Amino acid sequence: DIQMTQFPSSLSSSVGDTVTISCQASQDIDNYLNWYQQKPGKAPKLLIYEASNLEPGVPSRFSASGSGTHFSFTINRLQPEDFATYYCQQFHSLPRTFGGGTKVEIK
Amino acid sequence: EVQLLQSGGGSAQPGGSLRLSCATSGFTFSSYAMSWVRQAPGKGLQWVSTISGSGTNTYYADSVRGRFTVSTDKSKTTLYLQMNSLSAEDTAIYYCAKDKEGWTAIAFDSWGLGTLVTVSS
Repeated sequence: DIQMTQFPSSLSSSVGDTVTISCQASQDIDNYLNWYQQKPGKAPKLLIYEASNLEPGVPSRFSASGSGTHFSFTINRLQPEDFATYYCQQFHSLPRTFGGGTKVEIK
Repeated sequence: EVQLLQSGGGSAQPGGSLRLSCATSGFTFSSYAMSWVRQAPGKGLQWVSTISGSGTNTYYADSVRGRFTVSTDKSKTTLYLQMNSLSAEDTAIYYCAKDKEGWTAIAFDSWGLGTLVTVSS
């Protein structure tokens, strides 16, 4: 199975800050990576697919990049509604696997 | 508007069975793969199973293969997950999810609200 490692596991930031989350795959997954946002008690929401493609309707302050084994996800000008947990997910191989999540909290 | 309405779930004893349902609307059901993703209490996301839009291909996580069966009823545009031989490790919120593609799990672009499955004696 491909292991997805996210770091940090949590972070504290203020509204207006820029936040970057990293995701590392245990083997080369090309650009077969997605990013999700999950708020407490809610279902996850797809934000970015195929490493860098913003899902329709997702604000442009969200962005992501990477290929191979190293990926990053950035939120520019953090907004109050962005405080949530973020997950990466690979679709290079079965089983599909998620990172452990990064919880973005208010400082 | 895509809608995924989940039902089923609840409590079961170890070794017992449950069936989850996910009634869909707002998209061409047979054109998209559908999946189940679960989340144990306080934990991260785990992919469980996927069925292709055609219904001919199914995929399972090793932890559920042989115990869980994913299926669809195209006439009802509904996704199912039959869960047998349940254990405490299956306790989780189960989400159904629609995929962006038709043949396998690529990206889960719409999700149900989730249903809690609790396995306990």
